[in-house]
Amino acid sequence: AQKITQTQPGMFVQEKEAVTLDCTYDTSDPSYGLFWYKQPSSGEMIFLIYQGSYDQQNATEGRYSLNFQKARKSANLVISASQLGDSAMYFCAMRVTGANSKLTFGKGITLSVRP
Amino acid sequence: NAGVTQTPKFQVLKTGQSMTLQCAQDMNHEYMSWYRQDPGMGLRLIHYSVGAGITDQGEVPNGYNVSRSTTEDFPLRLLSAAPSQTSVYFCASRGRTARGNNSPLHFGNGTRLTVT
Repeated sequence: AQKITQTQPGMFVQEKEAVTLDCTYDTSDPSYGLFWYKQPSSGEMIFLIYQGSYDQQNATEGRYSLNFQKARKSANLVISASQLGDSAMYFCAMRVTGANSKLTFGKGITLSVRP
Repeated sequence: NAGVTQTPKFQVLKTGQSMTLQCAQDMNHEYMSWYRQDPGMGLRLIHYSVGAGITDQGEVPNGYNVSRSTTEDFPLRLLSAAPSQTSVYFCASRGRTARGNNSPLHFGNGTRLTVT
């Protein structure tokens, strides 16, 4: 079974600073994908970034990057130059290769950006 | 391009009532799923479908039914609502990619359900 762990309490960051949101995962499958989603207070789920288990380089999407440490089974999201609009809940999720591959979510981390 | 459309946005039910949450996608996605979101629990998978005519149970299927008669639609039925089903429900879909893993889920905007 797959498991995603997000244990940080509510996170705070000053506007324009960088912040790291932690995610660890557990799977015995060698082929998997890791995703981060953002959920603002309006409630929608927004896909941010993807990292494959066989990808050689860490994924980047604009101000978002993923610090992927395969041996440690961690996939931390780094947000650079935080903006007020980054205040939201952030979810880490994983999907392994195979039939009916389901996306398993962590419990989420709340990020608040201070002006 | 509407993406994933869920209706209604809000619903209040009395215990024992039944209802159907509607979900439609216009992206020709094979995979569709229903999640519920509860405080401190993240998103938990209720049911999913890998194509028309095929459905399967997720992590928390009890009290819910689904069907997939077309590629576009994936309704979620609450047979006899209970207060424990008070939650926010999300429908999501994704397409198939050559690599199999990297297609993200596209979410609807959610349905906030309260059962009294």
